[in-house]
Amino acid sequence: GAGVSQSPSNKVTEKGKDVELRCDPISGHTALYWYRQRLGQGLEFLIYFQGNSAPDKSGLPSDRFSAERTGESVSTLTIQRTQQEDSAVYLCASSPRTGEASIVNEKLFFGSGTQLSVL
Amino acid sequence: QKEVEQNSGPLSVPEGAIASLNCTYSDRGSQSFFWYRQYSGKSPELIMFIYSNGDKEDGRFTAQLNKASQYVSLLIRDSQPSDSATYLCAGQTNDYKLSFGAGTTVTVRA
Repeated sequence: GAGVSQSPSNKVTEKGKDVELRCDPISGHTALYWYRQRLGQGLEFLIYFQGNSAPDKSGLPSDRFSAERTGESVSTLTIQRTQQEDSAVYLCASSPRTGEASIVNEKLFFGSGTQLSVL
Repeated sequence: QKEVEQNSGPLSVPEGAIASLNCTYSDRGSQSFFWYRQYSGKSPELIMFIYSNGDKEDGRFTAQLNKASQYVSLLIRDSQPSDSATYLCAGQTNDYKLSFGAGTTVTVRA
């Protein structure tokens, strides 16, 4: 597709349920990021994938959060046993970085996000 | 201490005025800095990036970087109502990770 696609756009779930969020990056983009944005807040880094390298999971807030990415394609973010504080917009972004020369040019293209509401 | 701090705002300016947004960062390893604009209910979109000390101009936008003071700013000249949005500053370090500030909300009064 032309842009980063995220699904679902909205998800309402009950506390304690598991949810899975999906991100389709722009074709050819090697880097993929997940961010969380609570209402009125900035972007909170969650996890970063770059090609076949080990992901940077340093931003995941607890072991209830996990993410996977198959090669340079789709990524899924899974939240187990959801809590009310997990309610937020989850944003995925991809970048066309192709090598170290691009380190100064990490332009992120964001998806529309998934609005997660935990009741 | 957060890695990237922004003046909290909100910032209200009259149409045609200059809006000045400020950002400081704590990690001296940060190499590049980005300004994203986020309209209410929408995703962030990149408007400028800068990695060299000094000024960088793009249309009505000017980004300024001072690595010695660990300071980044964005000036919006001739502000328009369509510039009303939240502006996010982000810094990037060697590990590629972008750290975002909390954002500054700008309202341009017609």
